[in-house]
Amino acid sequence: AQSVTQLGSHVSVSEGALVLLRCNYSSSVPPYLFWYVQYPNQGLQLLLKYTSAATLVKGINGFEAEFKKSETSFHLTKPSAHMSDAAEYFCAVKFSGGGNKLTFGTGTQLKVEL
Amino acid sequence: DTEVTQTPKHLVMGMTNKKSLKCEQHMGHRAMYWYKQKAKKPPELMFVYSYEKLSINESVPSRFSPECPNSSLLNLHLHALQPEDSALYLCASSQVELETQYFGPGTRLLVL
Repeated sequence: AQSVTQLGSHVSVSEGALVLLRCNYSSSVPPYLFWYVQYPNQGLQLLLKYTSAATLVKGINGFEAEFKKSETSFHLTKPSAHMSDAAEYFCAVKFSGGGNKLTFGTGTQLKVEL
Repeated sequence: DTEVTQTPKHLVMGMTNKKSLKCEQHMGHRAMYWYKQKAKKPPELMFVYSYEKLSINESVPSRFSPECPNSSLLNLHLHALQPEDSALYLCASSQVELETQYFGPGTRLLVL
């Protein structure tokens, strides 16, 4: 079955430290992949997307993600965390043959500490 | 401009009330979506409209009734809701040909 897994429901980093949020998918056909961020009491904001072009994707707010087909992964990184990065992050996947449906991971709550 | 707007921001309703949520986009997108999101959970797809026609209904109870009057507007009519329907309701839109969905800020619904 096609699925999306986000390892770590909670991640805590110090301000200025590297942020790494993990996302793996299960599919034999490379899908389209997205990262969304949700701040408290707000909707989802698109951070970045992979749609079969460059495997290293740069997004907003200094985030980037690398698509690794061999590892079926699309991990999100940011070199230096800022307090304003504290939010819920969702990995989402559009699987081949899935029409307009997005499959979301369970989310990772990022906490940034001083 | 990638803005999707939703009104109202907050809604409190009784179980016998009838209310509607509204979503609007002016990006020329031809697919629009309703999602339900409970606290600390990912969004769950409810309905998809493609070219103003309902294309996906994820077995949503009939007390939720979607409507797409035109390509820019999406409504969700609510009737006889239950307290467990309290959640954040998110609208999204996308180009049918492309895959990126853009979300609105949501309507936070409380059913008493």
